[in-house]
Amino acid sequence: DIRMTQSPASLSASLGETVNIECLASEDIYSDLAWYQQKPGKSPQLLIYNANSLQNGVPSRFSGSGSGTQYSLKINSLQSEDVATYFCQQYNNYPPTFGGGTKLELK
Amino acid sequence: QVQLKESGPVLVQASETLSLTCTVSGFSLTNYGVIWVRQSPGKGLEWMGIIWGDGNTDYNSALKSRLSINRDTSKSQVFLKMNSLQTDDTAIYYCTRGEYYDGTYYPYVMDAWGQGASVTVSS
Repeated sequence: DIRMTQSPASLSASLGETVNIECLASEDIYSDLAWYQQKPGKSPQLLIYNANSLQNGVPSRFSGSGSGTQYSLKINSLQSEDVATYFCQQYNNYPPTFGGGTKLELK
Repeated sequence: QVQLKESGPVLVQASETLSLTCTVSGFSLTNYGVIWVRQSPGKGLEWMGIIWGDGNTDYNSALKSRLSINRDTSKSQVFLKMNSLQTDDTAIYYCTRGEYYDGTYYPYVMDAWGQGASVTVSS
């Protein structure tokens, strides 16, 4: 199985700040990568697919980039409603696998 | 409006069998695969298996010997059964679904999720 490693495991940022979350795959996943947001007590919600395609309805302050084994999620102008845990997931290889998550808190 | 909802027991004894139901609305089970994913503090998010629109199934090899997924299309329901439960099977169990983008089906890009069923395995 492909191993997905996220960093950092947690971070604290201020309102209006720009945040970057990294995801490293154990082998090339050819941009078959999704990002999910999970708020406490809620189900994961899809933000990004194909590494950089924004899911319908997701604010444009979210963006994804990367290729090969290295990917990132960027949140511009952090809002209070962005407090959540973020997960990456590869779907290039079977079975799909998830990163361990990045918990984002407000400073 | 696409919806998925899990139902089943909250507490299961170790060595017994877990049975969960996912009831869907807003789409047809013959057009979309339905996936089961579980989440636990110890293992994080784990993809368990899928029942495809044609009724075929694929399972995570780590769970394959214990897991079965079936469905009743007339009731828009998908069923998960997993036997020989252990305490580390304690988790929130989600059913979810892939999506079509620009005419291409992405079965593992999960855009709709149920609210989750919290299952505790007691020893």
